[in-house]
Amino acid sequence: QKEVEQDPGPLSVPEGAIVSLNCTYSNSAFQYFMWYRQYSRKGPELLMYTYSSGNKEDGRFTAQVDKSSKYISLFIRDSQPSDSATYLCATSQTGANNLFFGTGTRLTVIP
Amino acid sequence: GAVVSQHPSRVICKSGTSVKIECRSLDFQATTMFWYRQFPKQSLMLMATSNEGSKATYEQGVEKDKFLINHASLTLSTLTVTSAHPEDSSFYICSARTGGAVGNEQYFGPGTRLTVT
Repeated sequence: QKEVEQDPGPLSVPEGAIVSLNCTYSNSAFQYFMWYRQYSRKGPELLMYTYSSGNKEDGRFTAQVDKSSKYISLFIRDSQPSDSATYLCATSQTGANNLFFGTGTRLTVIP
Repeated sequence: GAVVSQHPSRVICKSGTSVKIECRSLDFQATTMFWYRQFPKQSLMLMATSNEGSKATYEQGVEKDKFLINHASLTLSTLTVTSAHPEDSSFYICSARTGGAVGNEQYFGPGTRLTVT
């Protein structure tokens, strides 16, 4: 079983839609959760990070962690064509070096 | 803040030659840097972890004699692909982590696309 599972998509939505991206993880020791956005042929860009359970909001983006079900989500409100990218979830244990990445979900927002 | 640069962004080399890729943290000191490779439409694969002033730790299956990593300072790490072959063609991305990071967030460089002919 992979440490982190993520639906690769692709996911296409119309402009203005609410997007929900999700990952599940297997290790209950994971405490730290991140979402990265990667445009084609570019390095990943850190979007959000959260510690333990709960929600975190930043503009149109909301990250949500449910440790009881080992489920992490990223919501994008009022999606824009510029949001078209691959979104990677990542997680790790506090203090550990390694990040465990999902495979990434490719999102296309259609104008 | 937390900007990481990589150089070159793209390199084409002949089979059998060596290529050096630089990774720099521009506005912070990176106690730990990471090197990944990424094949098209696939996720990141961690190759090695390097700490300033010590030997890199390589992931299983990564040849340390082929992929030489030097973390010479708190702002610079280099990856040298020695005797490159076409199967080494890939997108190489570095990331850096600050020593004072509360969590484990890593900041990534823009990547280097290596093509070996």
